[in-house]
Parts: sequence; structure tokens; C-alpha cells
Amino acid sequence: DTGVSQDPRHKITKRGQNVTFRCDPISEHNRLYWYRQTLGQGPEFLTYFQNEAQLEKSRLLSDRFSAERPKGSFSTLEIQRTEQGDSAMYLCASSFTTNEQFFGPGTRLTVL
Amino acid sequence: GDSVTQMEGPVTLSEEAFLTINCTYTATGYPSLFWYVQYPGEGLQLLLKATKADDKGSNKGFEATYRKETTSFHLEKGSVQVSDSAVYFCALKPGSARQLTFGSGTQLTVLP
Repeated sequence: DTGVSQDPRHKITKRGQNVTFRCDPISEHNRLYWYRQTLGQGPEFLTYFQNEAQLEKSRLLSDRFSAERPKGSFSTLEIQRTEQGDSAMYLCASSFTTNEQFFGPGTRLTVL
Repeated sequence: GDSVTQMEGPVTLSEEAFLTINCTYTATGYPSLFWYVQYPGEGLQLLLKATKADDKGSNKGFEATYRKETTSFHLEKGSVQVSDSAVYFCALKPGSARQLTFGSGTQLTVLP
């Protein structure tokens, strides 16, 4: 069990650029979640996949955000036309049951 | 909607002191309750959980009891160590929901 991995760990971009993050869940986990964490706050839910199907999206996930999970394995989160307000830690989690989620180390995004 | 309120930090204690971090919640139905810990530069790790009223979750000397009558899930440890320095998050998951709802976190610093 290698745990949930995320890539990159840090990303610095200029406002208006597109960025894409990758999450590799624990191999037998069929559920995958994305959260966003801003400084001094707890994580906030963005979206949820069961296998390859995106079953739930938060109102926080504006139309500039898109997430995919092709083949029900890894997932990508893309942010188009980044804004300074998008600066945050993006966390991925996976689970086999709905009760216990295992989190990755996160991708820290800084938008200049 | 569902929410979690945590004791504001930061909390600074001396080694071997008693720790309490308060957590209260608002939720419909009977949520599962969790404490997660985030060490510097790392992702969130599940510390303990409780799935029904009067359950006690425990791990690594930490304990929390699910109190339905007071809608609370306070975290306690009898004797903290320097290595316990981290940010602690209380979270809930209602039975019908997929995602976790987190409190804002409590920074704990333990001094030798």
C-alpha cells in the first residue's frame, strides 16, 4: 500500500494560465474525492467519483474547474484561466468504503 | 446545513500536559464523526472515528466520545508529547453524504 499520491506537490503559475493536477489513489479504492484547503481553514469538498463516474460536484467547482477519472484509476483536476483566488492546497482522497477516506499530501497552487 | 465548530487555536502546551480540543457539530440524522491530524508538510491522516452515539474512538493515546445529547466530539489526550505538534481537524459525514465536512482546524504546539 503506497498511499494516495499527488503530482505536482507545488505549482506556481501566472493569472490566466491553465493548470492540471494528478491524483493516484490507493489501488483497490473505487471512490475518489477532491477537496480544496485555504490557509487556516479546513478542507472543503469539490467533487466525488465512484469508479469513472463523477457523481457529485460542489457549488465551489465553478465552470473553470473540470475533473476526470478515466478508467476509474487516476484522476486529474484542471483549472482554466486561473485567478489569484484559486491559490490553495488541493487535496485528493480515496476510499473503499464511504466512511474512511485516505488523503494524499496535496498540491499547493500559487497564482501570481 | 451541516457544520463543525472547533475550538480556536493556537494551543500551546508543555510536554506531559493534558489536552482537550473542543468540537461541536450541527447535522441532520446521525453522522459519523472523525478527527484528522495534519503534520507540517504532510496530508491529513485519520486519527480516530466514531460512527454512533456513545462510541469512543481511540488511537495513539488520543480519545474522543460521540455525545449525541451535546452534539460534541471533543478530542483528549492525557499526556502530550512534542511529536503531537500538528493541526487537528474535526469532521463529520452524514449517513447519506459522500463527502466530509471539516472544522477550521486547531493548531497544537507542544513545548519540551
